Amino acid sequence: QVQLQQSGAELAKPGSSVKISCKASGYTFTSYYISWIKQTTGQGLEYIGYINTGSGGTNYNEKFKGKATLTVDKSSSTAFMQLSSLTPDDSAVYYCARGNNPYNWGQGVMVTVSS
Amino acid sequence: DIQMTQSPSSMSASLGDRVTITCQASQDIGNNLIWFQQKPGKSPRPMIYYATNLANGVPSRFSGSRSGSDYSLTISSLESEDMADYHCLQYKQYPLTFGSGTKLEIK
Repeated sequence: QVQLQQSGAELAKPGSSVKISCKASGYTFTSYYISWIKQTTGQGLEYIGYINTGSGGTNYNEKFKGKATLTVDKSSSTAFMQLSSLTPDDSAVYYCARGNNPYNWGQGVMVTVSS
Repeated sequence: DIQMTQSPSSMSASLGDRVTITCQASQDIGNNLIWFQQKPGKSPRPMIYYATNLANGVPSRFSGSRSGSDYSLTISSLESEDMADYHCLQYKQYPLTFGSGTKLEIK
């Protein structure tokens, strides 16, 4: 069955970066884009963008340009999202999901930004 | 960006009640809407896709409908396992946008 396994929780300091992963299984990785979504209690769910897992092409929500960088490693069926110049506002649960229209979701990664 | 106005933000209902949650789209989205259910500590689960289609494994008491720019998720007879947060998502236009969510509690 389709599974998206995300990496573990991250505790990061303001100004630093984190890179979280999303390993896909149960389907042909390059047949579906991977989307990324941010969830906070205050802002709810926000769409970050997607990556074309075949070509590496990306489409970012303007709000997250410069904050998120999406990459992919086809050899390991894994997608990555790097978050840079972290601030406390970046503290959230981050999900990957299969498809540019997110349908099957990973379990989420909690990122906490604190000094 | 397309705004999805979801209501109510929270509600409490009794077992067996009929429950309806609504998302209003600020622009035409066709039927390009997904309803998700999210339980505490879990990731969102798709319940309805393309506004009216039941996702695999979802009980038939769930249904989706559209009236103009208003999209609704209805639970015909509420069960205890339906206690969760519900979110709508439009996928007509990027950036995709979500409703603000509805917290459904059981009385």
